[in-house]
Amino acid sequence: DAKTTQPNSMESNEEEPVHLPCNHSTISGTDYIHWYRQLPSQGPEYVIHGLTSNVNNRMASLAIAEDRKSSTLILHRATLRDAAVYYCILRDEISNTGKLIFGQGTTLQVKP
Amino acid sequence: NAGVTQTPKFRILKIGQSMTLQCTQDMNHNYMYWYRQDPGMGLKLIYYSVGAGITDKGEVPNGYNVSRSTTEDFPLRLELAAPSQTSVYFCASRDWVSNEKLFFGSGTQLSVL
Repeated sequence: DAKTTQPNSMESNEEEPVHLPCNHSTISGTDYIHWYRQLPSQGPEYVIHGLTSNVNNRMASLAIAEDRKSSTLILHRATLRDAAVYYCILRDEISNTGKLIFGQGTTLQVKP
Repeated sequence: NAGVTQTPKFRILKIGQSMTLQCTQDMNHNYMYWYRQDPGMGLKLIYYSVGAGITDKGEVPNGYNVSRSTTEDFPLRLELAAPSQTSVYFCASRDWVSNEKLFFGSGTQLSVL
């Protein structure tokens, strides 16, 4: 399984943009990049996913490097409610074996 | 829809006891998962299932067993509980369709003393 590497923690100020990086140098051509976040004392929730092109939704944007070996989750204006653990995972949607491995994630602190 | 429901929410076990963590989903999802999360750590995959009657090991299956007799239910069995199994356990499910998102339950906090 291709692995992802994320920083253990990051800090941001409220109402400023946040860029959360993820390295996946062994990504295969059929791996999609998915992001989830886990608010305190809750189960993870879906944020966004993409394959090659940058993606936007109401929660965040996903910027994917041209060689696909890294990606960045962008929160355009961090709020205190965005303080969470953010997970970057790879999913092979062609083989769709079902196995989903989460890593350590990045703990985001948002300061008022 | 209730989504993914886990019971119990909290449990304290003595070393050597056994228990079953229940997980049920009402979304007719094929894929179901069990993860554990130790304090301050990420999620580790214990077992997963791609459909009724089919289960497979994840990263940390030792000390656990699962079964999938129906689409809705995916119980996790702990035999001979050990302090190392103190953790928060999350069940999740998703549809088989490509790129469908995972839905997680609210977790079961288990302490083995």
